[in-house]
Amino acid sequence: GDSVTQMEGPVTLSEEAFLTINCTYTATGYPSLFWYVQYPGEGLQLLLKATKADDKGSNKGFEATYRKETTSFHLEKGSVQVSDSAVYFCALTSDYKLSFGAGTTVTVRA
Amino acid sequence: DAGITQSPRHKVTETGTPVTLRCHQTENHRYMYWYRQDPGHGLRLIHYSYGVKDTDKGEVSDGYSVSRSKTEDFLLTLESATSSQTSVYFCAISDRDQRNTEAFFGQGTRLTVV
Repeated sequence: GDSVTQMEGPVTLSEEAFLTINCTYTATGYPSLFWYVQYPGEGLQLLLKATKADDKGSNKGFEATYRKETTSFHLEKGSVQVSDSAVYFCALTSDYKLSFGAGTTVTVRA
Repeated sequence: DAGITQSPRHKVTETGTPVTLRCHQTENHRYMYWYRQDPGHGLRLIHYSYGVKDTDKGEVSDGYSVSRSKTEDFLLTLESATSSQTSVYFCAISDRDQRNTEAFFGQGTRLTVV
């Protein structure tokens, strides 16, 4: 079945540091890939998405590129802020069901 | 924000009692999902619905049942709650007709079984 593996956390960074969260997937067919973010006490919200190979999703300074050859969708941000502290989930859908990774907790210190 | 309301937002119940969580949407989306979120496991799919009275099991469906009698409501029932069902439960909706099927999530229900 479809599955997502993302790097384990927690990750602690200083403000303005570079953030990378690795995500790889296993899927049949041609999945769409997503990064969702969960701020403390809230539900998940979509951060960015990519629907086909070589697409780059971007939002709020975050980027991720759909790499079919390496089955990866790594999340990056060049300069993080304290407000980026959250749990980040990589996910895919190859039909209408979402499969999530375990989540990576990111803490950014001032 | 997508119109998704979960109720209750918090609940404490005793082992062995039945519990029903409600998810209500105003978006007329066809697909609705129930997930549970536990540390180290991310979100795991319990059940989902692809239309009125059309439901199917997810990866952790044991001990749970669902019903969808109207497009806007999706109910999750724990027939006899156990401590292992203490979790945060999220409802989500999506519209399959779009290739880039973004899901919208409710605020979550924190359930504690004592």
